[in-house]
Amino acid sequence: GAGVSQSPRYKVAKRGQDVALRCDPISGHVSLFWYQQALGQGPEFLTYFQNEAQLDKSGLPSDRFFAERPEGSVSTLKIQRTQQEDSAVYLCASSPLGSYGYTFGSGTRLTVV
Amino acid sequence: AQSVTQLDSQVPVFEEAPVELRCNYSSSVSVYLFWYVQYPNQGLQLLLKYLSGSTLVKGINGFEAEFNKSQTSFHLRKPSVHISDTAEYFCAVSDGGYSTLTFGKGTMLLVSP
Repeated sequence: GAGVSQSPRYKVAKRGQDVALRCDPISGHVSLFWYQQALGQGPEFLTYFQNEAQLDKSGLPSDRFFAERPEGSVSTLKIQRTQQEDSAVYLCASSPLGSYGYTFGSGTRLTVV
Repeated sequence: AQSVTQLDSQVPVFEEAPVELRCNYSSSVSVYLFWYVQYPNQGLQLLLKYLSGSTLVKGINGFEAEFNKSQTSFHLRKPSVHISDTAEYFCAVSDGGYSTLTFGKGTMLLVSP
């Protein structure tokens, strides 16, 4: 596609519920990133994929967070047993390998109530 | 660990006036520097980037930034702002590797008529 597509745009979850956030990167982009942006803050790195390989997951805040990209294209970020502090905008970005300044999607705003 | 400081959380300015948004970073290694803009309810859009070469970098929408290694700064400037420039601006740094970005907390540019 023309850009990075994320769905859903908005998600309200009850505390304790599991959620799955989807990212469709630009076709052919090898690198895929997930970032978390809390209200009033800059984005913070969560995890990085190169094709289907998850090469860096150092930013995932707890073992409740899990990401996958099984076929090297679409990626899913899953959060188990959501808590209020998980409320944030989750941004996905993609780029060609080795490129700087990647393309971001519009994000998924997660609100945990 | 890298860090990015954006000294101003909000910068109010009148239309057609010049503006400078300040950014300082801390890193002892070679860095790559970026400015992104975020409009309400949207993802981040790359304004410009410094990878190497000339320290004055020109970007989209009439913005430019100057890399100053001795002062560890990468301030963003525009000689004449428009109402449509009202948005949140984020400075970011990468030390290479997987191109992971560390962002500042952002500066809200408020342009009024």
